[in-house]
Amino acid sequence: AQSVTQPDIHITVSEGASLELRCNYSYGATPYLFWYVQSPGQGLQLLLKYFSGDTLVQGIKGFEAEFKRSQSSFNLRKPSVHWSDAAEYFCAVGERTGTASKLTFGTGTRLQVTL
Amino acid sequence: DTGVSQNPRHKITKRGQNVTFRCDPISEHNRLYWYRQTLGQGPEFLTYFQNEAQLEKSRLLSDRFSAERPKGSFSTLEIQRTEQGDSAMYLCASNRDSNYGYTFGSGTRLTVV
Repeated sequence: AQSVTQPDIHITVSEGASLELRCNYSYGATPYLFWYVQSPGQGLQLLLKYFSGDTLVQGIKGFEAEFKRSQSSFNLRKPSVHWSDAAEYFCAVGERTGTASKLTFGTGTRLQVTL
Repeated sequence: DTGVSQNPRHKITKRGQNVTFRCDPISEHNRLYWYRQTLGQGPEFLTYFQNEAQLEKSRLLSDRFSAERPKGSFSTLEIQRTEQGDSAMYLCASNRDSNYGYTFGSGTRLTVV
């Protein structure tokens, strides 16, 4: 069964500092990989996704993520964090099946940004 | 494109009552998903529709839960005889096919008292 591990429950960074959120997955083949962001009381917004091809993917809001097959990782990065980036971030892996694209999510990393 | 709409946003109900939530997906999306998110956790898959057909259900979906998508457009999720453990955020999402990420709605927060 597929699974996702986000080892950091809570991260605090200063505004303007760089950010890296870790994500490790378990899946039998090349997975679909996603990062979502959730503000308090809201639904999830897709930041970026990886399906195939270039292992460095660019997303919205200046985020990027790199797929590393050898490490089963898909870490999210941003060179300079803004106070508005404070939110919960979820990594997810999707099944590559013909009938479904069910996602399995990690438990999330809560990002706090200090001014 | 008005996004995925979920109603109500919040629902407080007494234990043992039935509740029903509605999800209106993006109009051209043929796939619709329900997820449940409890505090401090990531969303967990409940069920999935392709058009009006319910193609997969999680073991999390007990027999008190039922979901429908009668005309392949909006969907409803009903919980019968609610329990306190049903308190959660219920998220709906849709997409066009498996090559796209979901668009999520803002969710319905259920509190069972």
